[in-house]
Amino acid sequence: AQSVTQPDIHITVSEGASLELRCNYSYGATPYLFWYVQSPGQGLQLLLKYFSGDTLVQGIKGFEAEFKRSQSSFNLRKPSVHWSDAAEYFCAVGAVTGGGNKLTFGTGTQLKVEL
Amino acid sequence: EAGVAQSPRYKIIEKRQSVAFWCNPISGHATLYWYQQILGQGPKLLIQFQNNGVVDDSQLPKDRFSAERLKGVDSTLKIQPAKLEDSAVYLCASSLAGTSTDTQYFGPGTRLTVL
Repeated sequence: AQSVTQPDIHITVSEGASLELRCNYSYGATPYLFWYVQSPGQGLQLLLKYFSGDTLVQGIKGFEAEFKRSQSSFNLRKPSVHWSDAAEYFCAVGAVTGGGNKLTFGTGTQLKVEL
Repeated sequence: EAGVAQSPRYKIIEKRQSVAFWCNPISGHATLYWYQQILGQGPKLLIQFQNNGVVDDSQLPKDRFSAERLKGVDSTLKIQPAKLEDSAVYLCASSLAGTSTDTQYFGPGTRLTVL
């Protein structure tokens, strides 16, 4: 069965600083990988996804993620964090089940941005 | 384009009572998902519908949870009777076709508190 580990429960960065959120996955086949962001009282919004091809994926809001098969990682990065980026971030791995796309989520990383 | 709608946004009940949640997916989306997100955890898939048929309900506690998607559009999720451990946010998501490359779009969720 697939699983996702997000080792950092909380991260605090200063506005304008760079950001890296870690994600490690476990999946027997080629993974489909996603990063979602959840603001308070809001549903999850997709930041980016990786299925195949270029291992560096660009997303919305200036985020990018790099797939590293050898490390089973899909870390999320942003070169300069804005105060509005404060939210909870979830990494997820997708698996095909009966024709559907089942997402297995990590436990999330809560990002705090200091002004 | 209207997003995924859910109601109610908040619900407080006592244990052993019943409760129902409603979801209206994005127009034209064939696949609908219900997730349970317990505080401090990532969302966990409860059930997935493809049109009005169930694709995956392996993690749905069927002794107390039920879900239906009549006419392949709106869906309701019911809990009867509720337990304290059912306190969580219930998220509904939809996708166009339910394939592995589809993006899942999430609603704002219903926060359930069981006293």
